[in-house]
Parts: sequence; C-alpha cells; structure tokens
Amino acid sequence: DAGITQSPRYKITETGRQVTLMCHQTWSHSYMFWYRQDLGHGLRLIYYSAAADITDKGEVPDGYVVSRSKTENFPLTLESATRSQTSVYFCASSLTGGNSPLHFGNGTRLTVT
Amino acid sequence: AQSVTQLDSQVPVFEEAPVELRCNYSSSVSVYLFWYVQYPNQGLQLLLKYLSGSTLVKGINGFEAEFNKSQTSFHLRKPSVHISDTAEYFCAVSEEKTSYDKVIFGPGTSLSVIP
Repeated sequence: DAGITQSPRYKITETGRQVTLMCHQTWSHSYMFWYRQDLGHGLRLIYYSAAADITDKGEVPDGYVVSRSKTENFPLTLESATRSQTSVYFCASSLTGGNSPLHFGNGTRLTVT
Repeated sequence: AQSVTQLDSQVPVFEEAPVELRCNYSSSVSVYLFWYVQYPNQGLQLLLKYLSGSTLVKGINGFEAEFNKSQTSFHLRKPSVHISDTAEYFCAVSEEKTSYDKVIFGPGTSLSVIP
C-alpha cells in the first residue's frame, strides 16, 4: 500500500547513544519533513528536504542530522541522544511544499534514559 | 515570521452540540491555512485547507472553517459533534513566497466529546 512508514514505532535508548529513526514514503513526494511533538508545543519542525540531496534546518535542528540520498527515504539521526530529545517524532511528506497538505506517518515514540 | 495561536488548549462539549475551535495567526504576507486532526497513537490527518478563493472551506467529517483576513483567524466549526470526534486538533499556516517550504503548527486543541 502507498503511504509513509516510520520505524521503529517505539525506541528506548540511553543518553549519549546514537539513534536513527527511519522514514520511507511511496508517493514519490518531493518534500519530506521531520517534526517532534511535545506537550504544550504542538509540532516543531526539525529538518526538511525539498528533494534528494537537498536538506535544510527547521525550528529545532540542534542535535539532529538528516540525509536524503534517495527520494523515498529521509532518516533522522540523533548523534548523541539527550533526555531533552525524549519525544514523539513524526515524519511527513508533501507533493509541492507549503501549499500542499502534509501526509504523516504514525510516529516514533523515543525515550532517552 | 509567522506564528499560530490556538487559544483553547482543551474544549469539552456534549455529544450533538456545536463546537468552534479557534485559530489565529500572525503573518505579514499571504498565507495558506490548514486544520489537521490527530487521533490517539496516530499521525495527523488533513481535515481541510484554505489556499485561495472562497473563505468558507468545507472538510471531511462535517467540519468547516472560515478564513477571516482582517482578523487573521481560521476558526474550525462543526454543527453537531460525535463521540468519534474526540481528538487533538491542530491549526497550521505556511506563507506564500517566503518560508514556502515550512508549515508552522499551533500548540493544538484537545476536543473531548461527552456522551
């Protein structure tokens, strides 16, 4: 089925460890986004990508790294996890950017101990 | 830079009653506006969008929203809610031409429908 898939669904890791969250979409959408959702903050943009090999920072990029070597994949890496990065992470895609709707995955719940 | 305010963090309403969820934004340029719904343990789904044209926009599940440029608002309404409407609702905005690739979300409104 076409859609956007995130893995893992749940992840527990320790402070200082590197963690990679995966995102895969089958629509061939140009744009992909990573958001984090925290109580009281709604969704905050971490990074986005307009096309393969083009990425840019969002509102809260510190401590995160992204890559997009293929259109369909947009992994998010926490290079050295901190407790403040405990959150629910959502990947999303859209066809043309700001004027087209976002299509979201079901999220990854990350806990950093 | 644009920002989005959702004044009500929680809205309880009885089943079959009408509801309005408020959204205000700030921007110095033209905007695109969206409402998304999030059911428990799921990602967000699009309810409706305003890109241009008619200021009254109809979406899925009987929801509608009205764009008011002078008041910079985009309130969401439903004339009669159901238990299944219990969810988190997010207003979102993106600016034309500037910050084109970025959509900014409000903090969300938790709608609880009481039987």
